Amino acid sequence: AQSVAQPEDQVNVAEGNPLTVKCTYSVSGNPYLFWYVQYPNRGLQFLLKYITGDNLVKGSYGFEAEFNKSQTSFHLKKPSALVSDSALYFCAVTYNFNKFYFGSGTKLNVKP
Amino acid sequence: DGGITQSPKYLFRKEGQNVTLSCEQNLNHDAMYWYRQDPGQGLRLIYYSQIVNDFQKGDIAEGYSVSREKKESFPLTVTSAQKNPTAFYLCASSVRDNRNQPQHFGDGTRLSIL
Repeated sequence: AQSVAQPEDQVNVAEGNPLTVKCTYSVSGNPYLFWYVQYPNRGLQFLLKYITGDNLVKGSYGFEAEFNKSQTSFHLKKPSALVSDSALYFCAVTYNFNKFYFGSGTKLNVKP
Repeated sequence: DGGITQSPKYLFRKEGQNVTLSCEQNLNHDAMYWYRQDPGQGLRLIYYSQIVNDFQKGDIAEGYSVSREKKESFPLTVTSAQKNPTAFYLCASSVRDNRNQPQHFGDGTRLSIL
């Protein structure tokens, strides 16, 4: 069965420090992986995707993610967190027919 | 600007009542989706449609119905059979059968019971 796991409900980090939001997946075949961000009472906004090629993917707002096939992970990272990065982050995977599977979300709190 | 419009932003349902949530897109996308978001549970797929006049059940379709009469519109009806309808509902669209492309989301409708 296809699934995505975000093991941390919440991540706390101080402004200026690096941040990591974790995601692991369980998919047969080759996964296509995405990260989205959600601000309160808004829809999801696309941040970045991994399709193929370089395992380090760069996206919007200085975020990047590293695809690790052996560990079936796709962790979201940013070298220096901003207070404005505080939001809910979702990892998603798809394998065919445009059906996407979303993780349960991780709330990122960046404190000044 | 192209995008997805969901309306209303807030909706209240009385017991035994059916309510319909609107979703319109001008992105010329073939595929459209409805998700339900509950705290701590992420997004769960209700229905999806890859082409006009065709749609498939997602993981939690019971108590919901949809139609896809036009490419740009994919309304969701929450029926009285849905006993726990309070949630945030998100509509999304994407290019059909293209795993390389992300989904685009509307800003949601928050449904509550009166």
